[in-house]
Amino acid sequence: EADIYQTPRYLVIGTGKKITLECSQTMGHDKMYWYQQDPGMELHLIHYSYGVNSTEKGDLSSESTVSRIRTEHFPLTLESARPSHTSQYLCASSEVRGSPLHFGNGTRLTVT
Amino acid sequence: GENVEQHPSTLSVQEGDSAVIKCTYSDSASNYFPWYKQELGKRPQLIIDIRSNVGEKKDQRIAVTLNKTAKHFSLHITETQPEDSAVYFCAPGGGFKTIFGAGTRLFVKA
Repeated sequence: EADIYQTPRYLVIGTGKKITLECSQTMGHDKMYWYQQDPGMELHLIHYSYGVNSTEKGDLSSESTVSRIRTEHFPLTLESARPSHTSQYLCASSEVRGSPLHFGNGTRLTVT
Repeated sequence: GENVEQHPSTLSVQEGDSAVIKCTYSDSASNYFPWYKQELGKRPQLIIDIRSNVGEKKDQRIAVTLNKTAKHFSLHITETQPEDSAVYFCAPGGGFKTIFGAGTRLFVKA
């Protein structure tokens, strides 16, 4: 079934660790996004991409990086995790500009 | 940059009543106006959207109205039910990045 998948679902790590949150979609969408959201609160755009080899920073200052080497894959990397990174990270994709976003189930990250 | 505001931030209604949530935006180039629903512990999902060439769209109990001149659009839910309780987000745009409103928490009391 065409969908967008995020792994891991939950992650607890210590301060200073490097982590990569995975996001893959099987819908062939060109546009992909990463949002940070505390449960039930505002969604903050941290990165987006409009195709292979294109990435842009969003409005929320973030110490993370992304890459887009393949259309279906848009991983998010934190080089050195801190307690302030504790949050939920949602990946999304859309077919073109001005079309609905499809969200993954999210990764809930806790940094101790 | 784009400024998106939602009102109210919290809305409590009795089952069967109507609920209206308003979204105002600043980017006059916006041409796509969706509403998303996020239930507790779940991902946001599109419930209805409208494009700038129409003023209103209805899907059963939910509707969206657009006033492009005034730069706002609204979500209308009629005959509310307990399962409508959720957080609702607007995300006006059509450009390369999509910015969400801060969300409206709707409580429907049985």
